[in-house]
Amino acid sequence: GENVEQHPSTLSVQEGDSAVIKCTYSDSASNYFPWYKQELGKGPQLIIDIRSNVGEKKDQRIAVTLNKTAKHFSLHITETQPEDSAVYFCAARSDYKLSFGAGTTVTVRA
Amino acid sequence: EAQVTQNPRYLITVTGKKLTVTCSQNMNHEYMSWYRQDPGLGLRQIYYSMNVEVTDKGDVPEGYKVSRKEKRNFPLILESPSPNQTSLYFCASSLSGLAGNEQFFGPGTRLTVL
Repeated sequence: GENVEQHPSTLSVQEGDSAVIKCTYSDSASNYFPWYKQELGKGPQLIIDIRSNVGEKKDQRIAVTLNKTAKHFSLHITETQPEDSAVYFCAARSDYKLSFGAGTTVTVRA
Repeated sequence: EAQVTQNPRYLITVTGKKLTVTCSQNMNHEYMSWYRQDPGLGLRQIYYSMNVEVTDKGDVPEGYKVSRKEKRNFPLILESPSPNQTSLYFCASSLSGLAGNEQFFGPGTRLTVL
């Protein structure tokens, strides 16, 4: 099955700085890579996603890049704000199954 | 309001006592799924359903059962719970199982098995 590794497990950034989270996947058949944000006491919520035929996607302060050859994808958050503090999960979809990374706890320091 | 609901939100039970966690969505989604979340392991898929009467195993199906008799409901059944099933459980749904369809997650059910 698919194996998704996510780094780092924790990330502390100064407000206004950028945050980068990296993930690798093992199954070359995976074709969809969503990123989820989970706030305390809530379920994960999709923040951005990318398909395997696209190399980069941007939505305001959030961007995702995908390198199919190397089987890795990354989340970039620019101009971080206190409300960006949360746990972020990457995921990869293969054969109707969604496999998640272990998560990154992001803390934005004021 | 479009949403996925789960009940109960919190449950403490004892080993071997059968329980059911309900999941319901009001978005007419075909695809539904159950995950468990454990510290350091992220979310792991237990079972998923492509449509009514169509279910399949995820990565960690042992000890769980599901059924999909109606499109909106996807209950998770633990016939004989054990302490290693203590976890935070999430139900999710999406329009279909195809790539690119956003999965909407419920609020979670925190289960403790003593």
